Amino acid sequence: SQTIHQWPATLVQPVGSPLSLECTVEGTSNPNLYWYRQAAGRGLQLLFYSVGIGQISSEVPQNLSASRPQDRQFILSSKKLLLSDSGFYLCAWSVGRDTEAFFGQGTRLTVV
Amino acid sequence: GEDVEQSLFLSVREGDSSVINCTYTDSSSTYLYWYKQEPGAGLQLLTYIFSNMDMKQDQRLTVLLNKKDKHLSLRIADTQTGDSAIYFCAELKNTGRRALTFGSGTRLQVQP
Repeated sequence: SQTIHQWPATLVQPVGSPLSLECTVEGTSNPNLYWYRQAAGRGLQLLFYSVGIGQISSEVPQNLSASRPQDRQFILSSKKLLLSDSGFYLCAWSVGRDTEAFFGQGTRLTVV
Repeated sequence: GEDVEQSLFLSVREGDSSVINCTYTDSSSTYLYWYKQEPGAGLQLLTYIFSNMDMKQDQRLTVLLNKKDKHLSLRIADTQTGDSAIYFCAELKNTGRRALTFGSGTRLQVQP
């Protein structure tokens, strides 16, 4: 069966520090991978999605970047965090063209 | 306006039916989804409906789609306290972008 792992579950980082959140998927090949952010009391905002290794689409201009070094690994990074980067970050995957997305458990990031 | 809109809050009594509504703007959407998010957790897919369907029933859940009005609803029969969560409506557009567009979520509170 397919599973998605996302870590860490919670993170407190000072302003200006770097960030690396990792997401891996097991049990499937060539998944579509996504990073979403959920600000407090808000809906989900798509940040990045990837349809293959090294292929990253950015949805909104921001302080973050994403990379996909392996087929089932998706990394969200920042060189210098801002206070506004605080939120709940969710990784998700899907396969094919018309299927639902499956979500990880999320990382709650607090920038202080 | 936003692509997908939902009311923010709904309160019902245990045992009653809950109806969560959603409107979307893209008539070319192929699939529409309902996700559930419990506190501090990722999103769990509840059900989905293909755009050429009017209704889908799955145990206590009934999804109604009015494509003409671009209106989607989720009815939960015999609502339980364990149904308390945030419910997100999402659409998959018929474009090259293989990612879901989410509403801001409806917080369902079930009173015992």
